Amino acid sequence: LAKTTQPISMDSYEGQEVNITCSHNNIATNDYITWYQQFPSQGPRFIIQGYKTKVTNEVASLFIPADRKSSTLSLPRVSLSDTAVYYCLVGDRGGGSQGNLIFGKGTKLSVKP
Amino acid sequence: DAGVIQSPRHEVTEMGQEVTLRCKPISGHDYLFWYRQTMMRGLELLIYFNNNVPIDDSGMPEDRFSAKMPNASFSTLKIQPSEPRDSAVYFCASSRPDRGSEQYFGPGTRLTVT
Repeated sequence: LAKTTQPISMDSYEGQEVNITCSHNNIATNDYITWYQQFPSQGPRFIIQGYKTKVTNEVASLFIPADRKSSTLSLPRVSLSDTAVYYCLVGDRGGGSQGNLIFGKGTKLSVKP
Repeated sequence: DAGVIQSPRHEVTEMGQEVTLRCKPISGHDYLFWYRQTMMRGLELLIYFNNNVPIDDSGMPEDRFSAKMPNASFSTLKIQPSEPRDSAVYFCASSRPDRGSEQYFGPGTRLTVT
């Protein structure tokens, strides 16, 4: 399974755009990049997944360069409620024996007023 | 759909007692996962099922832990006997067929063993 590296913590202010970068140098051909968000006292929540280029949904955007060795989660105009831990994971999309997700320490995002 | 349902939400028990955690996955999801989260170790996968069959239990810490999935809508994680180091938040998650990486988590059970 490809290992991921992301910053332990980040600070931001309300209204700013936040970009969290994740490194995954050993990503395999079949691997997808998935991001989860976890608020205190809640379970992780799936927010976005991609394979290459750019993916956008109502919550975030995910940018993946051509070599796929890194990815950037972009949160537009954050608010205090975006304060959470964000996990970057790499694995087979289907799950199964090749796709067990490994949650690292994640990036603790603190949004200040 | 109500999402993944876990019970109880909180459990306080004494060392040596048996603890049973329960999970109801989202209807139609054929993957079910049990995780444990602590400050020290983060979020760890304990075991997961596909179509009610345990696929990988390599994350189960020891024989005191066991998990079952008697049908598609119910799973249990049992700890017997419990120890203080088992104190953690236990999450259950489920996912759709062929989308094991897109998991939906329950609210968790906070277990405290004294």
